[in-house]
Amino acid sequence: SSELTQDPAVSVALGQTVRITCQGDYLRSYLASWYQQKPGQAPVLVIYGKNYRPSGIPDRFSGSSSGNTASLAITGAQAEDEADYYCNSRDSSGNHLAFGGGTKLTVL
Amino acid sequence: QVTLKESGPALVKPTETLTLTCSVSGFSLSNARMGVSWIRQSPGKALEWLAHIFSNDEKSYSTSLKSRLTISKDTSKSQVVLTMTNMDPVDTATYYCARIRRDYSSWYFDLWGRGTLVTVSS
Repeated sequence: SSELTQDPAVSVALGQTVRITCQGDYLRSYLASWYQQKPGQAPVLVIYGKNYRPSGIPDRFSGSSSGNTASLAITGAQAEDEADYYCNSRDSSGNHLAFGGGTKLTVL
Repeated sequence: QVTLKESGPALVKPTETLTLTCSVSGFSLSNARMGVSWIRQSPGKALEWLAHIFSNDEKSYSTSLKSRLTISKDTSKSQVVLTMTNMDPVDTATYYCARIRRDYSSWYFDLWGRGTLVTVSS
């Protein structure tokens, strides 16, 4: 089982805001990164560090963290945001990494 | 342009050893803040981190697969190789290599290869 816990599925109405969460004890010590994966494609980094977006990622994507929970927010969700989203962080060893189980986002 | 590309057999038999190669371009495997990881995804399942290697040859392996994995690099060839022994049908997955970066409190995979599907079947 994953050491990082995500809701399996979340839905959002077009243009509304959605928050995808990731829970794990290690998140008290390490920052999470977030990945978007569309069917048949490789994952793409969307958020890393405290709240950084790689070049090319729209500013409607943002990240935050509190206690043992990291969150990815999409403000004004678009149809093209429909995808699986995974969080990732270092684990208790500090030298291993773990992915969450993934959240399937549906844009209605 | 920075790219990573996985290569290896599409089909392996149970008990065989899998050897995958990640060929990188646009960055050097000697860069101190960068490394290469292997990550896999079984059909319909979540991503699973397998291993990584950094420029100083620092390596780390998934605890559950540690006994079966070996990661190495050839900086001159810009290649990272992953071997996995004693393959089983449950190891059928798409295997990705990704560049890993570590900055102070954050480690992350900023670039990924397209992945290579490996099927384990007799």
